[in-house]
Amino acid sequence: DTAVSQTPKYLVTQMGNDKSIKCEQNLGHDTMYWYKQDSKKFLKIMFSYNNKELIINETVPNRFSPKSPDKAHLNLHINSLELGDSAVYFCASQDRGGNEQFFGPGTRLTVL
Amino acid sequence: SQELEQSPQSLIVQEGKNLTINCTSSKTLYGLYWYKQKYGEGLIFLMMLQKGGEEKSHEKITAKLDEKKQQSSLHITASQPSHAGIYLCGALAGFGNEKLTFGTGTRLTIIP
Repeated sequence: DTAVSQTPKYLVTQMGNDKSIKCEQNLGHDTMYWYKQDSKKFLKIMFSYNNKELIINETVPNRFSPKSPDKAHLNLHINSLELGDSAVYFCASQDRGGNEQFFGPGTRLTVL
Repeated sequence: SQELEQSPQSLIVQEGKNLTINCTSSKTLYGLYWYKQKYGEGLIFLMMLQKGGEEKSHEKITAKLDEKKQQSSLHITASQPSHAGIYLCGALAGFGNEKLTFGTGTRLTIIP
């Protein structure tokens, strides 16, 4: 069973469209994260949710809106996609008190 | 697909002692990243190495990439409680492939 899964794996879309990336973890963890892998391949944190509540919100445009319907899911919705949004987006989850984060396989978003 | 193996899986070190964590790849590394994980803080970028034989240092942490570009080591000198966490190496999956693949992680505990 996949511990942290993301869908879709690849997403190609036109500028201006709205799209969502889904993330699910079956580890029973309390905290979930979204990261963006930028052009220099560095991972940068975007959001963190703990038990459906937002705890970290880095400087991310308002076009990005995370949604956590339950603690096993953290979805990322992006409005009015721009060329600069093209990147690989990683979801991760972490247990309370644990240091290790478990990463999903990533979603490669390409905006044309 | 590329696999990254880290050793040891966990490490308990007395404060003030030196330690080394290794990251070994099944394929040539095209970019090797070291991150540190702490609960609730997201990944913290430490260093990135690209060239064979390259060595970088930041404060008490030194990372090296071997000449064959298949192994990297992370060395901490005079360890402190703030060094505790999980250390993760990440590598580009291949030339022209932009996605990071992560190692298995090393849990570091510092005891007073």
